[in-house]
Amino acid sequence: DGGITQSPKYLFRKEGQNVTLSCEQNLNHDAMYWYRQDPGQGLRLIYYSQIVNDFQKGDIAEGYSVSREKKESFPLTVTSAQKNPTAFYLCASNLQRGDNEQFFGPGTRLTVL
Amino acid sequence: DQQVKQNSPSLSVQEGRISILNCDYTNSMFDYFLWYKKYPAEGPTFLISISSIKDKNEDGRFTVFLNKSAKHLSLHIVPSQPGDSAVYFCAARNYGGSQGNLIFGKGTKLSVKP
Repeated sequence: DGGITQSPKYLFRKEGQNVTLSCEQNLNHDAMYWYRQDPGQGLRLIYYSQIVNDFQKGDIAEGYSVSREKKESFPLTVTSAQKNPTAFYLCASNLQRGDNEQFFGPGTRLTVL
Repeated sequence: DQQVKQNSPSLSVQEGRISILNCDYTNSMFDYFLWYKKYPAEGPTFLISISSIKDKNEDGRFTVFLNKSAKHLSLHIVPSQPGDSAVYFCAARNYGGSQGNLIFGKGTKLSVKP
């Protein structure tokens, strides 16, 4: 059955280390997104990609990087330049940007010690 | 500046009563609105949506109302059940916008007490 997977569910890293969060979808969706959720905050857009080998910055892209080498995969790297990396990270996708609904993965909780 | 606002961080309702969650927006270019439900440590799941050309959409216990002149939408849950306890996010789409296609509010935490 189709869906979006994010791994791992929980991730711990030491301050100053880069870390990559995985997002895979088998829905044949062209568009993929990364959001960050903090307590009391809504979902804030980090990066999005409309098609393979193309991606655009969202509202809070500083300290993050992405790649889109395959349609199914959109990994997010949290670099040491991100000042407050501890958060819940959500990946989403839809058939194409502009579609009504985005489908979300289960999320990854990143804690930087 | 927040384009989608959910001004009530939390709401507590008795089981069987109506829950009303509110959302205001500022951008008149939004053409589609969605409600997502989110449990702790899980991804949001789509609940119900409404096009800007409509003023009401109903799906079982869930109804969304849109007042374009007031730039306001609301989600009604009748009757409320304990399993409805979650955070509800309002989202809006600007089809021609340059960013990703959904803008989310900060969410309202609904608690339904037995």
